[in-house]
Amino acid sequence: AQSVTQLGSHVSVSEGALVLLRCNYSSSVPPYLFWYVQYPNQGLQLLLKYTSAATLVKGINGFEAEFKKSETSFHLTKPSAHMSDAAEYFCAVSDRNQFYFGTGTSLTVIP
Amino acid sequence: NAGVTQTPKFRVLKTGQSMTLLCAQDMNHEYMYWYRQDPGMGLRLIHYSVGEGTTAKGEVPDGYNVSRLKKQNFLLGLESAAPSQTSVYFCASSTQGVRDIQYFGAGTRLSVL
Repeated sequence: AQSVTQLGSHVSVSEGALVLLRCNYSSSVPPYLFWYVQYPNQGLQLLLKYTSAATLVKGINGFEAEFKKSETSFHLTKPSAHMSDAAEYFCAVSDRNQFYFGTGTSLTVIP
Repeated sequence: NAGVTQTPKFRVLKTGQSMTLLCAQDMNHEYMYWYRQDPGMGLRLIHYSVGEGTTAKGEVPDGYNVSRLKKQNFLLGLESAAPSQTSVYFCASSTQGVRDIQYFGAGTRLSVL
């Protein structure tokens, strides 16, 4: 079975600062990789998806992620944090018919 | 667009009671999933379906049963609820399975006393 590790269950950044959320996966074969965001009391929404077409993936709301096979990583970044970015972020990997989610990183944006 | 609709939104059960959670999607998706979300554990797949009339076990299937009699509906049943099943349950659907985006419902908060 696949596994996903998100380092840091809580991350705080100042408004305007760089956002970096870390994700590492376990797979010998490049998997399908996703980042989802969850706002309070809502379901998850897709931020971006790795399709193997390009290692740098751009998503919604200014987020992007870079696939690094050698490091088995898929870290999420945003150059400048906005107050509206405060949410929980989940990295996910898919294998066969199943998805495996990380434990999530809660992002706090400090004004 | 309704997307993925879950009912009910909240429920409180006593230990040993049974209930069914309903997930309905109007996007003609083939794949449907049930997850549970617990603090510090992310989302864990309970059961999934790759098409009408099919179901399969996920990562944590024990204590749950599912049915997919109609393409648009995916039911999750708890035959004898236990406090360990207190959680937030999410349904999701997608068109092409693991290659595809999942669309999530708003969740069902279940407390088992």
